[in-house]
Amino acid sequence: DQQVKQNSPSLSVQEGRISILNCDYTNSMFDYFLWYKKYPAEGPTFLISISSIKDKNEDGRFTVFLNKSAKHLSLHIVPSQPGDSAVYFCAASQGSGTYKYIFGTGTRLKVLA
Amino acid sequence: EAQVTQNPRYLITVTGKKLTVTCSQNMNHEYMSWYRQDPGLGLRQIYYSMNVEVTDKGDVPEGYKVSRKEKRNFPLILESPSPNQTSLYFCASRAYALTSEVYEQYFGPGTRLTVT
Repeated sequence: DQQVKQNSPSLSVQEGRISILNCDYTNSMFDYFLWYKKYPAEGPTFLISISSIKDKNEDGRFTVFLNKSAKHLSLHIVPSQPGDSAVYFCAASQGSGTYKYIFGTGTRLKVLA
Repeated sequence: EAQVTQNPRYLITVTGKKLTVTCSQNMNHEYMSWYRQDPGLGLRQIYYSMNVEVTDKGDVPEGYKVSRKEKRNFPLILESPSPNQTSLYFCASRAYALTSEVYEQYFGPGTRLTVT
C-alpha cells in the first residue's frame, strides 16, 4: 500500500517555464512533508519542507504548496533551469522529529534548454 | 568535508554469501538510517538508529540486520542475501538545521548491490 504517491513518473519542461511536481498521500496522520532532489550516481539531497500548519513554503525558486483536505502537495520550480533536471522525491512523516519517513516513487524532471 | 560515505559502491555477490555494507558519517549525527531504492517503489526505509545501541525497524527490515556500536558507523548486514535484495542502497544521517528549522537528512552516494 503506497501511502505516498507521485503519479507522474516523468515530466519535461522548457527552460524558464514553471515545473510542477505533484505528490498525494493517504495517511491523514502525516503532518510533515519534504522534497528531495536526486542526481544520477548521487544520494538524494534535501530541497524544501512544509509542515501541516502551513499551506505554502517558499525558498528561492522553489515553493511547496500543501492542500490538507485533498491530501495533496506540489512543488513548483520557477523558473526552471537545466540544472534542475533530476529525480524528485516527496516524503512524509508524522512529526518533524520523527524517525520514520515514507517516500514517494519519484518524478524524473527534464528541463529542456 | 561533512559527508556520509558508503562502501562498497558496487557489489555483485551470490545468493547466501553474507555481506556487509558500511556507512560512516563525520558530522556527529545521532540519527542514521538505511534505505533501498527500487524502480516503481521509490525509497523505502529498512532500519534506523536513534543513537548508539538504539535501532529500530523501518518498513522493509526483513533479511537485514544493523548495528550501531559507535556514533559514526551504521553497517547494514545481509546474512543470507537473496536476489530480491538486489537494489540501490542509501545510508543517511540527520541533524536539525537552524537555517531551515527542519531535520535534514544527508544521504550517502549509494551502494548498488546485485545478488545472483
